[in-house]
Amino acid sequence: QKEVEQNSGPLSVPEGAIASLNCTYSDRGSQSFFWYRQYSGKSPELIMFIYSNGDKEDGRFTAQLNKASQYVSLLIRDSQPSDSATYLCAVKTGGFKTIFGAGTRLFVKA
Amino acid sequence: SAVISQKPSRDICQRGTSLTIQCQVDSQVTMMFWYRQQPGQSLTLIATANQGSEATYESGFVIDKFPISRPNLTFSTLTVSNMSPEDSSIYLCSVEGLLAQETQYFGPGTRLLVL
Repeated sequence: QKEVEQNSGPLSVPEGAIASLNCTYSDRGSQSFFWYRQYSGKSPELIMFIYSNGDKEDGRFTAQLNKASQYVSLLIRDSQPSDSATYLCAVKTGGFKTIFGAGTRLFVKA
Repeated sequence: SAVISQKPSRDICQRGTSLTIQCQVDSQVTMMFWYRQQPGQSLTLIATANQGSEATYESGFVIDKFPISRPNLTFSTLTVSNMSPEDSSIYLCSVEGLLAQETQYFGPGTRLLVL
């Protein structure tokens, strides 16, 4: 079992819809969770981080964390074509090491 | 947020040669890391650059092939030695500990092509 798992996609949504990106992790001692966006040919950029169970909202982005289920998700409301990118989930484990998922490719169709 | 720069941004090299990539941050950071990312693939951690001591390498990566220096809290270098076409990739520097945060931030990357 991989330490951080994401569906590779591609996930295709129409413009204006909600895109839902999911991530599961294996280390129950993990405390910090991050979402990065990576455009083709560019380096990853941080979108959000979340530490506590529940939802955290920032503009059109909402991160959701459920430590009991070892599950973290990212919702993108009112998706735009400019949101088309690969989204990386990252988890800081109990050993203080950050593990990145393989990423989910998102396509937002105009 | 801090500025992270990498030099060179891209290079084309001949097999058997070596290339040193520089990573500079404009603020002191706790941790510096080097990753490799091949086109369409996920990030692979090469090593953690430790200030004043030898880098900590991940499984499959060795110091002879990827020597790393970190002379201070704002600068690190990664050398790709005795290159082969299989080393063609994007090499990314990342840092952690900016403003005492545990979030990792990435440099712009170095795109390497080995012929």
